[in-house]
Amino acid sequence: GENVEQHPSTLSVQEGDSAVIKCTYSDSASNYFPWYKQELGKRPQLIIDIRSNVGEKKDQRIAVTLNKTAKHFSLHITETQPEDSAVYFCAASTKNNNAGNMLTFGGGTRLMVKP
Amino acid sequence: KAGVTQTPRYLIKTRGQQVTLSCSPISGHRSVSWYQQTPGQGLQFLFEYFSETQRNKGNFPGRFSGRQFSNSRSEMNVSTLELGDSALYLCASSLLARSNTGELFFGEGSRLTVL
Repeated sequence: GENVEQHPSTLSVQEGDSAVIKCTYSDSASNYFPWYKQELGKRPQLIIDIRSNVGEKKDQRIAVTLNKTAKHFSLHITETQPEDSAVYFCAASTKNNNAGNMLTFGGGTRLMVKP
Repeated sequence: KAGVTQTPRYLIKTRGQQVTLSCSPISGHRSVSWYQQTPGQGLQFLFEYFSETQRNKGNFPGRFSGRQFSNSRSEMNVSTLELGDSALYLCASSLLARSNTGELFFGEGSRLTVL
């Protein structure tokens, strides 16, 4: 099955700096790569996603890049703010014959933005 | 539109008991997935239902089961509870029917503690 590895597990940055979180996946057939943000005590929420036919996608201060050949994708957050502090999860879709919704998540990255 | 609702939010059980958790998806969403979240293992996929049929199942023992009703509400059951079953159980619903690339909308979770 699919295996997703995420690094680093914790990341501390100064407010205003950039943060980068990297993920690798194993199944070359995976074609959808979302990123979820989970604030302390709250539910995970989708912040950005990318499909395998696109190399990069941006949404204001966040961007995701995908390298299908190397099977890795990254989340970039620029001009970090204290409210960006949360746990971020990458995920990869797992293809199956039933065409269902099944994501394999990375282990998560705890991002701390220091004021 | 109401979000994904999970009940109960917190529960404490003892080893050997069983537990049933409930999830009401967003109105109109027919796909319901369940994930187990633990500090050590992150988010792990349990199973996914669509139109009362289990489309996907994760790598969990048979003690973990679920079902979906005609109104898309879902329940999951864990029998013969073990200490390692202590976790946050998250339910997520999705709008897309036949794609495995739909945004997941998570509930706040049911936190199970097994003593």
